[in-house]
Amino acid sequence: DVKVTQSSRYLVKRTGEKVFLECVQDMDHENMFWYRQDPGLGLRLIYFSYDVKMKEKGDIPEGYSVSREKKERFSLILESASTNQTSMYLCASRPLNSEPYEQYFGPGTRLTVT
Amino acid sequence: EDKVVQSPLSLVVHEGDTVTLNCSYEVTNFRSLLWYKQEKKAPTFLFMLTSSGIEKKSGRLSSILDKKELFSILNITATQTGDSAVYLCAVEGEYGNKLVFGAGTILRVKS
Repeated sequence: DVKVTQSSRYLVKRTGEKVFLECVQDMDHENMFWYRQDPGLGLRLIYFSYDVKMKEKGDIPEGYSVSREKKERFSLILESASTNQTSMYLCASRPLNSEPYEQYFGPGTRLTVT
Repeated sequence: EDKVVQSPLSLVVHEGDTVTLNCSYEVTNFRSLLWYKQEKKAPTFLFMLTSSGIEKKSGRLSSILDKKELFSILNITATQTGDSAVYLCAVEGEYGNKLVFGAGTILRVKS
């Protein structure tokens, strides 16, 4: 079974703090993704990575950065948290495959910025 | 810009009812359409559809894709309270590997 884990289920941070969200997958997948999920907006892609040290911007990268130093780990960084970054953050992975393939999701981190 | 629209946004039914959830899309170089179920945790994969007119079925859930009209439906028959969840539709387009999601349909099944 594919397992995607995220470091925290719930997190409360103050405005201006630097925030790290960690994601680890155990299936040797090349591709990893960070989404945020907000009511009425669905999942929106922040960043993705298709290899170690490689990253690509998604649809809403502003205010975020990422790091992929090891294949199994993909980190999302909020350099200076703001209240509009209060959201559910979901990590996903999938193999690098030329055929259509599902993404496997972690349980999510609910981040509140006060 | 790739776009996925789901309807209805929310739905309340009674146990035993049949429901149909809709997903329409606009995407460059369509590759696949996926349905996920999300309870208070990670979205779990239900179906992937790539070919038009072929129904995918799993128990009381089924889904079909119409590539000409650019939509898919997810049917749930004989609904149970355990079907209460957010149902997400996503499409994979030109750049592959990336999914574009709809806003989701919130389904609540009352006993």
